[in-house]
Amino acid sequence: NAGVTQTPKFQVLKTGQSMTLQCAQDMNHEYMSWYRQDPGMGLRLIHYSVGAGITDQGEVPNGYNVSRSTTEDFPLRLLSAAPSQTSVYFCASSYSIPGLANKYEQYFGPGTRLTVT
Amino acid sequence: GQQVMQIPQYQHVQEGEDFTTYCNSSTTLSNIQWYKQRPGGHPVFLIQLVKSGEVKKQKRLTFQFGEAKKNSSLHITATQTTDVGTYFCAGPETNAGKSTFGDGTTLTVKP
Repeated sequence: NAGVTQTPKFQVLKTGQSMTLQCAQDMNHEYMSWYRQDPGMGLRLIHYSVGAGITDQGEVPNGYNVSRSTTEDFPLRLLSAAPSQTSVYFCASSYSIPGLANKYEQYFGPGTRLTVT
Repeated sequence: GQQVMQIPQYQHVQEGEDFTTYCNSSTTLSNIQWYKQRPGGHPVFLIQLVKSGEVKKQKRLTFQFGEAKKNSSLHITATQTTDVGTYFCAGPETNAGKSTFGDGTTLTVKP
């Protein structure tokens, strides 16, 4: 299994440009999430999905859109890039097995390092 | 909403010294997870604690979950340079797709 893959690894955008960060997982996990990590800080949840066709907002959703048309893919769209969106973006997937200690382990992709000038 | 706080933010130790990071939640957690992120890398799952008062060990790492299930700690005995990185705790909210992460404790180890 490739696990969680993210493309691109690096991206530079100009203010106002739009782009899509790709995330895919091949573990058949029902849950997927997008986080951003700013220098020296923790992970802040942008959007998450509990299954195909279902998404919800996290802590910092403004300026980002997501969709989940398949179990495998969870793209993150930046609508109009701003310098404040310069960050490292991580996609993660997870699963739970109710009755078996609710396993919440998250598997992270390698990240996309985005710079907005 | 749920808040998860970690202290200290940074810890510098000499190789061989012990290290502890503490995690506190504003709400009772059903479980808590710990992750490690190496410099330039991505978070990697270390362990999950579920039961009140639970203690788990992984070689030199000892993880504890508080009796009230609102706090946790990670203790590393006799640190090595391979322990360098940022350690995060995370508490799930309503489902597995939504977790609140602490800001992490960044450990540096001087050889």
